[in-house]
Amino acid sequence: GENVEQHPSTLSVQEGDSAVIKCTYSDSASNYFPWYKQELGKRPQLIIDIRSNVGEKKDQRIAVTLNKTAKHFSLHITETQPEDSAVYFCAASEVGSQGNLIFGKGTKLSVKP
Amino acid sequence: NAGVMQNPRHLVRRRGQEARLRCSPMKGHSHVYWYRQLPEEGLKFMVYLQKENIIDESGMPKERFSAEFPKEGPSILRIQQVVRGDSAAYFCASSPTTGSALAQYFGPGTRLLVL
Repeated sequence: GENVEQHPSTLSVQEGDSAVIKCTYSDSASNYFPWYKQELGKRPQLIIDIRSNVGEKKDQRIAVTLNKTAKHFSLHITETQPEDSAVYFCAASEVGSQGNLIFGKGTKLSVKP
Repeated sequence: NAGVMQNPRHLVRRRGQEARLRCSPMKGHSHVYWYRQLPEEGLKFMVYLQKENIIDESGMPKERFSAEFPKEGPSILRIQQVVRGDSAAYFCASSPTTGSALAQYFGPGTRLLVL
């Protein structure tokens, strides 16, 4: 079955700097890769997703890149702000399968003002 | 359009009691997924349901746990004879019937504490 590895587990940056979180997956059949942001005690919120027919997707300050050959994908946050502080989870799934997401263990991002 | 609803938000049970967790998907969504999250860990898939059908229960323990999504009403995750190890946050997510069928939107979760 699918296995998703995520790193780093913690990341601390200064406000205004960029943050990069990386994930690798094992199942070459996976072709849907969402990213979720979870604040303490809150629900996971879908912030961006990418499908394997594209290599990069951008939405304002966040972007995701996908390398299918190497089976890894990354989340990039530019011009970080204190409100970006949260735990970020990557996940992988296969279109046409049951659709359940396999999650990484999360990255705790701290943005220092 | 209301988001995914879950209740109760917090549930305290003593060992051996039953826990019932409810999830109402977003309007127009007919796919429901349940996940469990232990403190400071990721989300683990438990079960995937559509109306009146369990599609995939490969992540759900075979004993004490059951799930349903009836034709009318919310999806229910039921845990019988709870043990301390069942203490966790339980999230459900729903996805649309058509279009981006894989985009899953999460509810606020039910935090279960077993004493």
